[in-house]
Amino acid sequence: EPEVTQTPSHQVTQMGQEVILRCVPISNHLYFYWYRQILGQKVEFLVSFYNNEISEKSEIFDDQFSVERPDGSNFTLKIRSTKLEDSAMYFCASRTGTNTGELFFGEGSRLTVL
Amino acid sequence: EDKVVQSPLSLVVHEGDTVTLNCSYEVTNFRSLLWYKQEKKAPTFLFMLTSSGIEKKSGRLSSILDKKELFSILNITATQTGDSAVYLCAVEALHDMRFGAGTRLTVKP
Repeated sequence: EPEVTQTPSHQVTQMGQEVILRCVPISNHLYFYWYRQILGQKVEFLVSFYNNEISEKSEIFDDQFSVERPDGSNFTLKIRSTKLEDSAMYFCASRTGTNTGELFFGEGSRLTVL
Repeated sequence: EDKVVQSPLSLVVHEGDTVTLNCSYEVTNFRSLLWYKQEKKAPTFLFMLTSSGIEKKSGRLSSILDKKELFSILNITATQTGDSAVYLCAVEALHDMRFGAGTRLTVKP
């Protein structure tokens, strides 16, 4: 069964360092998303991406964040200068289209900022 | 601002009980409402609802949407310990999907 894959599963980094989280969405999907979940808190929308550009972003997704689809398969989230409060589980998700079915989630990348 | 509110935030029941989880929303350009189950890591899909009054059913789980009153319920009958999880309601708007805080369900043997 096709699935969304994310790497790394866990990354520990020092405050101020740049981090890139990688995702391979399901191959025929067109819409891509990043969410984060701080431990014990709700799943929060960060950004949606379609047709090689950002469709929507939340107030969390400030200038420290960027997304890219560098090739036909990967979808990356970059955090330029990590802060302690960036520690969270980051979920990538994809779907075939809007209003056409479920959002498929990856297993998540746990980021710990020390 | 778009809002998705779930209640209760947590619930403890015994095996065999029936539970009803609630989700109310205020969203511009509503497209659909989805229910997910989150156990350890990634949320797993349960239902997608787009039309009012049509019940979706999968085994012991069922869900219905009321677009006039802007809410949905998720019912679980004859609960089992394996139903213990956080149940997430998500509402899809034009370009994004916003999640509620979730209801943590604990089913005791």
